[in-house]
Amino acid sequence: EIVMTQSPATLSVSPGDRATLSCRASQSVSSNLAWYQQKPGQAPRLLIYDASTRATGIPARFSGSGSGTEFTLTISSLQSEDFAVYYCQQYNHWPRTFGQGTKVEIK
Amino acid sequence: QVQLVQSGAEVKMPGASVKVSCKASGYTFTSYGISWVRQAPGQGLEWMGWISPYFGDTNYAQKFQGRVTMTTDTSTSTAYMDMRSLTSDDTAVYYCARREWFMDYWGQGTLVTVSS
Repeated sequence: EIVMTQSPATLSVSPGDRATLSCRASQSVSSNLAWYQQKPGQAPRLLIYDASTRATGIPARFSGSGSGTEFTLTISSLQSEDFAVYYCQQYNHWPRTFGQGTKVEIK
Repeated sequence: QVQLVQSGAEVKMPGASVKVSCKASGYTFTSYGISWVRQAPGQGLEWMGWISPYFGDTNYAQKFQGRVTMTTDTSTSTAYMDMRSLTSDDTAVYYCARREWFMDYWGQGTLVTVSS
């Protein structure tokens, strides 16, 4: 099973600042990596797939990069609605696996 | 628009079974797989398995093999997740989601509480 490790666990950021979230896979997942955003009491929302492709309706301030084992989600200028938990997920191997999440909180 | 609407919250006794439904609309049901993901209170996301509505193929996480059955009814565009021998560790919100790779649309979640 591929283990996905996200860092940091919590990121404290001021509105308008840039946030950089990391996700590492225990072995290569090629570019088969997705990012999700989850707010309290809501289902996850797909942000990025194929490591760097924004899903439909996702603002351009969200960008993804990386391949193989190292991936990054960048939020260029944090808006109030961006404070949430973010998960990465690999879909190169069965079983699909998620990282443990990074909580982005207001500094 | 694509929608996945799940059945309502359930409270079950330890040892019981639960069946959660997920009704799809807004797309051709047989063209996309359905994945199931759960989230225990205050915890992260856990992939449970996937089913192909077209072929009926399934792939379950090893942790749930033998205890979970995923099915679909193409006549009603509905997917089902059936879990047996429930314990308190199965208390969680259960989500269905479209696709077996990245998951682009999600149901609203179904809270299953296992308690005596």
